[in-house]
Amino acid sequence: GAVVSQHPSWVICKSGTSVKIECRSLDFQATTMFWYRQFPKQSLMLMATSNEGSKATYEQGVEKDKFLINHASLTLSTLTVTSAHPEDSSFYICSARAGLTGVGEQYFGPGTRLTVT
Amino acid sequence: AQTVTQSQPEMSVQEAETVTLSCTYDTSESDYYLFWYKQPPSRQMILVIRQEAYKQQNATENRFSVNFQKAAKSFSLKISDSQLGDAAMYFCAHYGGSQGNLIFGKGTKLSVKP
Repeated sequence: GAVVSQHPSWVICKSGTSVKIECRSLDFQATTMFWYRQFPKQSLMLMATSNEGSKATYEQGVEKDKFLINHASLTLSTLTVTSAHPEDSSFYICSARAGLTGVGEQYFGPGTRLTVT
Repeated sequence: AQTVTQSQPEMSVQEAETVTLSCTYDTSESDYYLFWYKQPPSRQMILVIRQEAYKQQNATENRFSVNFQKAAKSFSLKISDSQLGDAAMYFCAHYGGSQGNLIFGKGTKLSVKP
């Protein structure tokens, strides 16, 4: 099956700093990538959807200036948490899909645990 | 708006027994897809099974099968011959073309007792 990687798997940063999380599709071209946030014992909450070469579409309530998403190539999307605060500590999961539309199965990365101290 | 409801926060099953996880959804679309994902302690999301709404036949993947009732908007997952490795969070998800992404339920935590 298709593989999606995330880096880093775990990051600790100080409050006020920015941190970048990378999401890569290793063996397919991902025209659409999704970023989710998951709090402990909760479900996945969609933060934004990005299509390669286009601006990301953010879900209601997600601060686009705080969570910067870049989908510059068909195999790489990045999520940058700017001026991170302890409340941003969470588990971030990316997902990639080969097609722009249609069910084209979504493949999930292993997630990144962010801890802001 | 599409919604997915999992009414069982936790379930428990004895090893080798059968367990059914419930899921209901709400959608105005006639063509859509439904999924069950497994999230073990590693937190890697794993696709368990998927069902196309236009197919009347229930999907089956080895020990995993679904009971898809389109009129009732119900999509339950049956795990037969439960194994210790089945212990995980299970998420039901809906995909509709108009939404363009997966909508997840809140999840059911499955424990398997030896």
